[in-house]
Amino acid sequence: SQQGEEDPQALSIQEGENATMNCSYKTSINNLQWYRQNSGRGLVHLILIRSNEREKHSGRLRVTLDTSKKSSSLLITASRAADTASYFCATLNTGFQKLVFGTGTRLLVSP
Amino acid sequence: DTAVSQTPKYLVTQMGNDKSIKCEQNLGHDTMYWYKQDSKKFLKIMFSYNNKELIINETVPNRFSPKSPDKAHLNLHINSLELGDSAVYFCASSQSTGANSPLHFGNGTRLTVT
Repeated sequence: SQQGEEDPQALSIQEGENATMNCSYKTSINNLQWYRQNSGRGLVHLILIRSNEREKHSGRLRVTLDTSKKSSSLLITASRAADTASYFCATLNTGFQKLVFGTGTRLLVSP
Repeated sequence: DTAVSQTPKYLVTQMGNDKSIKCEQNLGHDTMYWYKQDSKKFLKIMFSYNNKELIINETVPNRFSPKSPDKAHLNLHINSLELGDSAVYFCASSQSTGANSPLHFGNGTRLTVT
């Protein structure tokens, strides 16, 4: 069954603004990953945060993880039109069996 | 340099036909996957192979048969295609089955069954 649910389903902002996407999941995890998917393309790995980490940065990306609430957020600062894409969270359960993807957030950044 | 490549990019076929999708990775990874993305963008794992051995087989109809001739290739054969098989199929690879091995995806094969 589906593991992660993302919120919002769609987000529309102007260039320069920050974009925040949230992910909630249901079971214990080993790590949580965020991926980006441009239209007509495959998913690209952005960042991985382990269950014992609370925050991680990569360039303009900031990811937080709250295992007590079973939730994560992805913040993209100073967004650009090129950030327009769908963003997916994915969780790896503690059995390492498989990576389960969320429903995705469609981000539109207007110039 | 294409890391994970799949062919064809588009596949249009009629119900009842048999078709194959090929996938190759040049990353030297041990693990390969097939995912299915439906019209609502929901991505679900179908199969996973590690060093040519099947390790994950989700609840997928027997009409779907993966084949891994070597660890750089994972092909997907589909028999007796149905309308509900229409989707985008993604191949992916990872260095290992370990916890910190992110997935590298191909650009997908859009299958349309008419």
